[in-house]
Amino acid sequence: ELKVEQNPLFLSMQEGKNYTIYCNYSTTSDRLYWYRQDPGKSLESLFVLLSNGAVKQEGRLMASLDTKARLSTLHITAAVHDLSATYFCAVDNPQKLVFGQGTRLTINP
Amino acid sequence: GAGVSQTPSNKVTEKGKYVELRCDPISGHTALYWYRQSLGQGPEFLIYFQGTGAADDSGLPNDRFFAVRPEGSVSTLKIQRTERGDSAVYLCASSSLAGSYNEQFFGPGTRLTVL
Repeated sequence: ELKVEQNPLFLSMQEGKNYTIYCNYSTTSDRLYWYRQDPGKSLESLFVLLSNGAVKQEGRLMASLDTKARLSTLHITAAVHDLSATYFCAVDNPQKLVFGQGTRLTINP
Repeated sequence: GAGVSQTPSNKVTEKGKYVELRCDPISGHTALYWYRQSLGQGPEFLIYFQGTGAADDSGLPNDRFFAVRPEGSVSTLKIQRTERGDSAVYLCASSSLAGSYNEQFFGPGTRLTVL
């Protein structure tokens, strides 16, 4: 059974700082997705990572995938308050997505 | 274009009642998914449709849950004899399955509360 674990689960950081969220999964997969969820809202697709070594960047967020280590990272550069949200990684199992528990990110001025 | 829509946005019902939740996917998307999200958790897969047929219903928790997609577009998730433990946000997603990946686009969800 595929398991997906994120850490940390809660992250409070100051504006301007850098940090990384980690997503580990238990069985082989080469397709991984990152989503953002604001309180009371649905999930917004951020990144689609399709192969080993894939790296995608959008603004202050950068995601990468290492399929051999079964690890994806979401790196935040020079955080701003607008990035406060819950971030989920999800692994394609296939067709159905298996989600991590989510990382609740709070960015303080 | 329009995204995935779900109705109702909120549903409050009493234990033992029957409820129906509706999902209208993005036009042209052949794949449709239902997930359930409990407070503070990630979404959990319930069922997946490819066209009109349920390709994978392994996530349905028991036989009180049933879903249909009769014309390959709109889907309805049906819950019989609701229990308090069914309270959650029910999310629908759709995908075009184009190319080699399965990017799923989610609707706003239906918040179900069973009293």
